[in-house]
Amino acid sequence: QVQLVESGGGVVQPGRSLRLSCAASGFPFSDHAMHWVRQAPGKGLEWVAVISYDGNKKYYADSVKGRFTISRDNSKNTLYLQMNSLRAEDTAVYYCAREIRFRFDPWGQGTLVTVAS
Amino acid sequence: QSALTQPASVSGSPGQSITISCTGTSSDIGGYNYISWFQQHPGKAPKLMISDVSDRPSGVSNRFSGSKSGNTASLTISGLQAEDEADYYCSSYTSSSTWVFGGGTKLTVL
Repeated sequence: QVQLVESGGGVVQPGRSLRLSCAASGFPFSDHAMHWVRQAPGKGLEWVAVISYDGNKKYYADSVKGRFTISRDNSKNTLYLQMNSLRAEDTAVYYCAREIRFRFDPWGQGTLVTVAS
Repeated sequence: QSALTQPASVSGSPGQSITISCTGTSSDIGGYNYISWFQQHPGKAPKLMISDVSDRPSGVSNRFSGSKSGNTASLTISGLQAEDEADYYCSSYTSSSTWVFGGGTKLTVL
């Protein structure tokens, strides 16, 4: 079955970096665009970034542009999110999601990133 | 990239119908039919309930339906059940090749 498993979350100090991973299985990973979406504690969903199926196109939310980089390794069926210059407001559960014709389905279980000193 | 506007909360009794609105602009909801609705129970990942304004993925109850008029999309849940109590989010593709979510609506089944 289709499965997305995020990892790499944890506690990090402001200004530091962290890389999240999303391992995909059960579908042809290289055929699909992939997204990162985050949810701050007790808050709503916020779209973060998208990468095309081949990695050639990337788009970001204004709130992370210039600090976060989305990438993928189709040979490893893995999606990444490199997060630099982290701020307290980046604290959230980060979800990866597969895109099928402009819809997010399914989502992973999420990984928690806490930015605190 | 302003969030789409949803009511913070709605409520209804079992068996009743409720509608959640999602208002955007001509650059997102009004310009595209790539509008989705997600259900999220506490501590769980979001689940796709409606895509492309009104399409229901396989396995989603036909009690859930979607529509759009101008810059506003709507999710209607008929025959409310206790298990429908959750947070609901809309999303839309935008003219900037990005996506935007609504602020979320907490549905309470009385």
